[in-house]
Amino acid sequence: GNSVTQMEGPVTLSEEAFLTINCTYTATGYPSLFWYVQYPGEGLQLLLKATKADDKGSNKGFEATYRKETTSFHLEKGSVQVSDSAVYFCALSERNTDKLIFGTGTRLQVFP
Amino acid sequence: KAGVTQTPRYLIKTRGQQVTLSCSPISGHRSVSWYQQTPGQGLQFLFEYFSETQRNKGNFPGRFSGRQFSNSRSEMNVSTLELGDSALYLCASSLAAAGGQETQYFGPGTRLLVL
Repeated sequence: GNSVTQMEGPVTLSEEAFLTINCTYTATGYPSLFWYVQYPGEGLQLLLKATKADDKGSNKGFEATYRKETTSFHLEKGSVQVSDSAVYFCALSERNTDKLIFGTGTRLQVFP
Repeated sequence: KAGVTQTPRYLIKTRGQQVTLSCSPISGHRSVSWYQQTPGQGLQFLFEYFSETQRNKGNFPGRFSGRQFSNSRSEMNVSTLELGDSALYLCASSLAAAGGQETQYFGPGTRLLVL
């Protein structure tokens, strides 16, 4: 079945460091891909999305490119801030449904 | 535009009881999905409703049920609560064209504790 694999956390960085969180997926057909972020005590917020191969989603300095050849959707940010500390979830949406399949989440901790 | 709202935000129940959680989607959104989040299992899909019909269902026992009303508001019910049902229950809504894969917007969740 369809699945999403994320790198284990926590990822610990200093402020202004470069961030990469790896995400790979297994899916039939052409899923849409998403990154969601969850701050402590809150629900999930959509960070960015991509709906077809080679699409690049971007928001608030974060970027991810839909790579069909490597079945990946890695999240990157050039310079992280303390306020980016949160848990990040990669997810795919199956065809003909809004059902999301999530990765296990990666906790990011940014220190000043 | 108001976001997805969920009530109640926190709930404490005892084993064997039942519970009903409510979700009001973003205005104009027709699809509502429910997810369970636990430290051990992560985020798991429960079910999805579109136009008052269940469109998809996850791998949860029959104790978990849901419904959607004509105004797109949704409720989920868990009967005969077990300790393992303690979790954050998240509701998400989307505009939902028939083709799916729409962006889902999440509510803050209802945190259920079963004692």
